[in-house]
Amino acid sequence: DIQMTQSPSTLSASVGDRITITCRASQSVNNFLAWYQHKPGKAPNLLIYKASSLQTGVPSRFSGSGSGTEFTLTISSLQPDDSATYYCQQYNTYWTFGQGTKVEIK
Amino acid sequence: QLQLQESGPGLVKPSETLSLNCTVSGGSISDSSYYWGWIRQPPGKGLEWIGSMYYSGSTYYNPSLKSRVTISVDTSKNEFSLKLSSVTAADTAVYYCARGSGSYKYWGPGTLVTVSS
Repeated sequence: DIQMTQSPSTLSASVGDRITITCRASQSVNNFLAWYQHKPGKAPNLLIYKASSLQTGVPSRFSGSGSGTEFTLTISSLQPDDSATYYCQQYNTYWTFGQGTKVEIK
Repeated sequence: QLQLQESGPGLVKPSETLSLNCTVSGGSISDSSYYWGWIRQPPGKGLEWIGSMYYSGSTYYNPSLKSRVTISVDTSKNEFSLKLSSVTAADTAVYYCARGSGSYKYWGPGTLVTVSS
């Protein structure tokens, strides 16, 4: 099984800050890595697919990078609406989610 | 616009089988090159992939749940289903169905299933 580990588990930042979330895979997932934003009571929202491709309609302040076993999600200028839990997901070998990173606005 | 909607009992007794359906509208469940999946979120925990089915009918299950999970499709109703047997309280969760080509772009709103006697 491929394990996905996110860091940090929680993150508190101010509006306008640049934040980065890291996701590490226990073995290479090539670039088959997605990022989701999940708010309470709603379905997860796909932000990034294939590690760095921005899903249509997602604000350009979101970006993804990495390949192999290490990936990052960056929000270039944090907005109040970005308060949510973010998950990485590999789909190279079956599917596995990271444990999530909760982003809070100071 | 593709829409998915989960349906099924909100309460299941321990040791029984949890059964959910996902009805697809705005598209065909037979559309090529897509995966149809089930994902769940237990209260206070993260997302867990349960299993997926390729449009061709191939199925893939989370190894930790494989012995208890079955995903099937009913093309006449344009829906796919999840069966999870021998449930316990640990199976209490919001269950989502989703569609994608690897990553999941379209999701249902989710349905809470509680396992309790």
